[in-house]
Amino acid sequence: EAQVTQNPRYLITVTGKKLTVTCSQNMNHEYMSWYRQDPGLGLRQIYYSMNVEVTDKGDVPEGYKVSRKEKRNFPLILESPSPNQTSLYFCASRDTAGGEKLFFGSGTQLSVL
Amino acid sequence: QKEVEQDPGPLSVPEGAIVSLNCTYSNSAFQYFMWYRQYSRKGPELLMYTYSSGNKEDGRFTAQVDKSSKYISLFIRDSQPSDSATYLCAMSVRGGYQKVTFGTGTKLQVIP
Repeated sequence: EAQVTQNPRYLITVTGKKLTVTCSQNMNHEYMSWYRQDPGLGLRQIYYSMNVEVTDKGDVPEGYKVSRKEKRNFPLILESPSPNQTSLYFCASRDTAGGEKLFFGSGTQLSVL
Repeated sequence: QKEVEQDPGPLSVPEGAIVSLNCTYSNSAFQYFMWYRQYSRKGPELLMYTYSSGNKEDGRFTAQVDKSSKYISLFIRDSQPSDSATYLCAMSVRGGYQKVTFGTGTKLQVIP
């Protein structure tokens, strides 16, 4: 089954404690992206990657890092989380040759205390 | 001003009603227009996709794009309780690696 898998689904942490949210896709997609979703602000892009070792900032990259060492994986790293990063996070991938459809993971609800 | 504006609702309708969801946008370069449906505690899923202006129909769903007015709509006929979800409009300039800009989403509840 074609899917984007995020882990964990729920995460509660404290300010300053480094964390990583993993994302993996099994569709051989080149394009992968991270979004955060906040009430009234919708989905905002954090970082995206066009291929292995190629990443770029989205609209709200501050406080986040990403890496793309393998085509299937695109982890999101918060090196020093702060309460304003409490949000619902989604990883997505897209077949750049096949159209516009973004495939989303099920989301990670992060709370930073 | 946001590039894409969408009424957040919530919108509550009785089962069987016709639902109209709308978005306006400011970037005249947008050419790809999409509607995603997001159920509670799930990721968004692509519902409809339209290139440039015109209408597209898929079962009970119709997507309309009016580029001259920078206005897109999603119509749901004979709405069902299973249609209860948040609907997000989305747009991009071109395909492939191009950024997709999302509206904030409209929460719809269809009451049996």
